[in-house]
Amino acid sequence: GESVGLHLPTLSVQEGDNSIINCAYSNSASDYFIWYKQESGKGPQFIIDIRSNMDKRQGQRVTVLLNKTVKHLSLQIAATQPGDSAVYFCAENPDAGNMLTFGGGTRLMVKP
Amino acid sequence: DTGVSQDPRHKITKRGQNVTFRCDPISEHNRLYWYRQTLGQGPEFLTYFQNEAQLEKSRLLSDRFSAERPKGSFSTLEIQRTEQGDSAMYLCASTRSGVDEQFFGPGTRLTVL
Repeated sequence: GESVGLHLPTLSVQEGDNSIINCAYSNSASDYFIWYKQESGKGPQFIIDIRSNMDKRQGQRVTVLLNKTVKHLSLQIAATQPGDSAVYFCAENPDAGNMLTFGGGTRLMVKP
Repeated sequence: DTGVSQDPRHKITKRGQNVTFRCDPISEHNRLYWYRQTLGQGPEFLTYFQNEAQLEKSRLLSDRFSAERPKGSFSTLEIQRTEQGDSAMYLCASTRSGVDEQFFGPGTRLTVL
């Protein structure tokens, strides 16, 4: 398949380990944040979201942490699997129009 | 499959030609978004519709770009007089008013030779 990005920061983890992907956002007025997973040749796929009135939200094998003080988001993936290999983007909603502003992306590579 | 669909998936064109892409959102979604994604970057917002009204356009959307959503369902994005710098993945997303999560289609990969 076609590569989403050739020069992205890359995180390489062993299958079964936990992964942490970090993201800095730009707009202190943003009240909604979302993580997307993008596999090669596909559109972004929703993973988990969080509102600014929360610090942490958990899903199935994934946790998002929000630190508003330093404008930082992280995505934690427990027991990483080969199927988790993809590019991960954080996005923020800076205004009422719901357009999303995306960060630069991190490539996660899972070694079997 | 009731997700967002886009057509074509791939388009190769020569510089100076016009191209048109189509997006069919999830059926009950009244908001539709277009984004552009270049290699190594996250998607960048281009424009969005609520029903048939185009409510916001990015400054990335030059006058060679036009988008329509005539009946508030599918949308088209046309690029006139394509340039090599237009080569990118064009993504469409949809959602309902009051819902923040946007659902993305598979994208149209445009290559301008």
